[in-house]
Amino acid sequence: ELKVEQNPLFLSMQEGKNYTIYCNYSTTSDRLYWYRQDPGKSLESLFVLLSNGAVKQEGRLMASLDTKARLSTLHITAAVHDLSATYFCAVDTGNQFYFGTGTSLTVIP
Amino acid sequence: NAGVTQTPKFQVLKTGQSMTLQCAQDMNHEYMSWYRQDPGMGLRLIHYSVGAGITDQGEVPNGYNVSRSTTEDFPLRLLSAAPSQTSVYFCASSYRGPYDAYNSPLHFGNGTRLTVT
Repeated sequence: ELKVEQNPLFLSMQEGKNYTIYCNYSTTSDRLYWYRQDPGKSLESLFVLLSNGAVKQEGRLMASLDTKARLSTLHITAAVHDLSATYFCAVDTGNQFYFGTGTSLTVIP
Repeated sequence: NAGVTQTPKFQVLKTGQSMTLQCAQDMNHEYMSWYRQDPGMGLRLIHYSVGAGITDQGEVPNGYNVSRSTTEDFPLRLLSAAPSQTSVYFCASSYRGPYDAYNSPLHFGNGTRLTVT
């Protein structure tokens, strides 16, 4: 069974600081997605990573994929309060999507 | 363009009742799926479909049925509701192309919050 592990599960950080969320998975796949979920809302697609070495950036968030290490990272630069949300990674195996348990991020002013 | 539409948004059931959660998408996606989201457990796949007439079980299928008679619709049926089925349910769809490079991420509906008493 494919496992997707995110860490940390909870992250409290001050505005202006940098941090990285990690997503490890247990099978071969070169397609990984990052999603954001605000409280009580649906999941919104943030990044689509399609190959080894892929790097995508949007504002203060940057995502990368290392398929050989089966690792994806979501890096937060100079955090702001608006980034407070839960972030999920998801591995696409073709027929199924496997989600991590999520990282709940709180940015403190 | 509505995307993925789920109804109802909220539902309260008594133990033993049955109901159907509706899901429709207007993006012509072949792939559709149902997830449940529980605190601390991420999203768990209930059932999925790769096209009309084809369905398959996910990680937590017990107590749920699905059918896929059209490309657009993928209803989820709770046969006899139990308190353990209290959860938030999400329907999601994705474009699956002839090559992996054409595949899209999942597009999610707004969710159905179900409480079983």
